[in-house]
Amino acid sequence: AQSVTQLGSHVSVSEGALVLLRCNYSSSVPPYLFWYVQYPNQGLQLLLKYTTGATLVKGINGFEAEFKKSETSFHLTKPSAHMSDAAEYFCAVSGVDSNYQLIWGAGTKLIIKP
Amino acid sequence: NAGVTQTPKFRILKIGQSMTLQCAQDMNHNYMYWYRQDPGMGLKLIYYSVGAGITDKGEVPNGYNVSRSTTEDFPLRLELAAPSQTSVYFCASRPEGHTEKLFFGSGTQLSVL
Repeated sequence: AQSVTQLGSHVSVSEGALVLLRCNYSSSVPPYLFWYVQYPNQGLQLLLKYTTGATLVKGINGFEAEFKKSETSFHLTKPSAHMSDAAEYFCAVSGVDSNYQLIWGAGTKLIIKP
Repeated sequence: NAGVTQTPKFRILKIGQSMTLQCAQDMNHNYMYWYRQDPGMGLKLIYYSVGAGITDKGEVPNGYNVSRSTTEDFPLRLELAAPSQTSVYFCASRPEGHTEKLFFGSGTQLSVL
């Protein structure tokens, strides 16, 4: 069965610093991988996705993620944090193991310090 | 462009009461979903529907019921509310062939006391 683990329920960085949010998955076959963002009191929005092809994928708001099959990881990064990036971020996986339903990580709350 | 509309935004129920969470979308999406979000747990799928008249259970369906009489509407029914159903509920929809292109409502915060 597919599963997703996000390391760290809370991550705190200073404005202008590198953002790194970790996501590891388990899957018997190469999965589809996604990052979603949830701003306060809103529903989730798709940030970026990996399905096939280039392993470095770029999303909205300057975020990117790299699919590393050998490490079963799909970490989310942004070179320079902005106050507006404060939100909760969810990693998700889907594929044949889950009948293409999304399996969600527990989420990581990103806190930006001024 | 309304997207996915959920009502109400907040509700407090007493144990044993019942209520219906409403969800409507205006994008003509066949696929609709109900999730619950508990702190530190991510999203758990309650029920989903692949089109009018068709519904199926997700990971955590116990204590809930759904119906899908039209493409637009997908209400979630709690018959006998329990404290374990205190959560934030999200409705979502998506177009055919795009598992990830979920459009979410703004959520319903439900407390059962």
